Formats: sequence, C-alpha cells, structure tokens
Amino acid sequence: GAGVSQSPSNKVTEKGKDVELRCDPISGHTALYWYRQSLGQGLEFLIYFQGNSAPDKSGLPSDRFSAERTGGSVSTLTIQRTQQEDSAVYLCASSSGLNGNTIYFGEGSWLTVV
Amino acid sequence: DQQVKQNSPSLSVQEGRISILNCDYTNSMFDYFLWYKKYPAEGPTFLISISSIKDKNEDGRFTVFLNKSAKHLSLHIVPSQPGDSAVYFCAATGSNYKLTFGKGTLLTVNP
Repeated sequence: GAGVSQSPSNKVTEKGKDVELRCDPISGHTALYWYRQSLGQGLEFLIYFQGNSAPDKSGLPSDRFSAERTGGSVSTLTIQRTQQEDSAVYLCASSSGLNGNTIYFGEGSWLTVV
Repeated sequence: DQQVKQNSPSLSVQEGRISILNCDYTNSMFDYFLWYKKYPAEGPTFLISISSIKDKNEDGRFTVFLNKSAKHLSLHIVPSQPGDSAVYFCAATGSNYKLTFGKGTLLTVNP
C-alpha cells in the first residue's frame, strides 16, 4: 500500500483480555518497528524487525507482550492479559532498512483497557 | 534515563514569526537526527533530518541546526503558520534502525 496501515484504529477491551494489533508496512520495506505512546509520554520503542526476525526486542515491557512478522510483511503485536497501564496508542512504522533511512509511521492503534 | 530531551513541553508563537524548537541528547553515538510532526489522532509524519556530518539542513520554511559539541539541535520554522500547530518530536539514532524520541513539544501558532 501507499502507507503504513494499522488495525484496529481503536480498541476498547476489558482488563485481563488478550488483544492483537496488526500492521501492514509500506510495500518493500524490510524494517518494521513497534512504538508505544502513553498519555503525556514520548514514543517508546518496543520491538524492531528486519525481515521476519526480531534482532531487538528490548523495549517489550513484559512477557505479556509479543510480536511476530510473517512473509517479511505483516506484523502482529499481541498483548496478553491486558492491564490498565497498557492503555496507549501503539504505533507501527517501517523503513527501507538502509542507513540514514526515514521511518514512516502508521496512524496508530488506540488501545483502552477498562 | 532520557537520552533525548525536549525540555519545553509547549511553545506559543504568533503567525509569521519564527518558531524555535530545541532538543538535547546525551548519547555521543547518535549520528542521525530527525524531526517528526504529529497532529492529534494521527501518526507522526517525518519533517526533516540531519546527519552528524552537517550542521545545518534546510527544507523550505524548516531548518534544522546541529551543534555536536553541545549535543544540541534545534528546528526553526519561518514564517510560522497556524497549520504548523502540532506536537513536534525530536528523534535520534546511532544505528540504522532504532530511533530514540524525546517527549515532544506542543507548538501553537496563533493567527
């Protein structure tokens, strides 16, 4: 597609439920990132994919968070047993992976845990 | 420990005047810096970048200045327009992948 596409755009879920957030990167982009922005905070790095592998998962806040990428394209971020502090906007981004590249963001998935 | 700091959470300027947004970093390994602009309920959009081998990069009304010795960069918008009102994020990277962001500065340009 023309840009990074994320779904759902908004999700309200009950505490303790699992959620899946999907990201479709820009076609041909080998690098994919997940970031999170909580209220009043900056953008927090979660995980980075190069192709289907994740060389850097250092930002995942807990083992309730996981992500995968298949076919070098679509990625899914899964949050198990959601907590209220998971409420944030989850942003996916992609880039060509070349040095000095520009990272392009999607519109974000707004997650509210009630 | 915040490696990228935007110490002004907000800035208000008059239309037509200059807006100056500041950013400081602590990691000397950072060698590429970017500014992103974010409107409410939208994802950040890339605005302008600068490599550490330069001290200035200009694109239309937007200019980014880098002072490596001070570990400081700034974004100048001249002239400012009401449509520029948004949150501006400074970001830095020392590799070809992970960006570290500041907390953002809310710019309001008053007509």
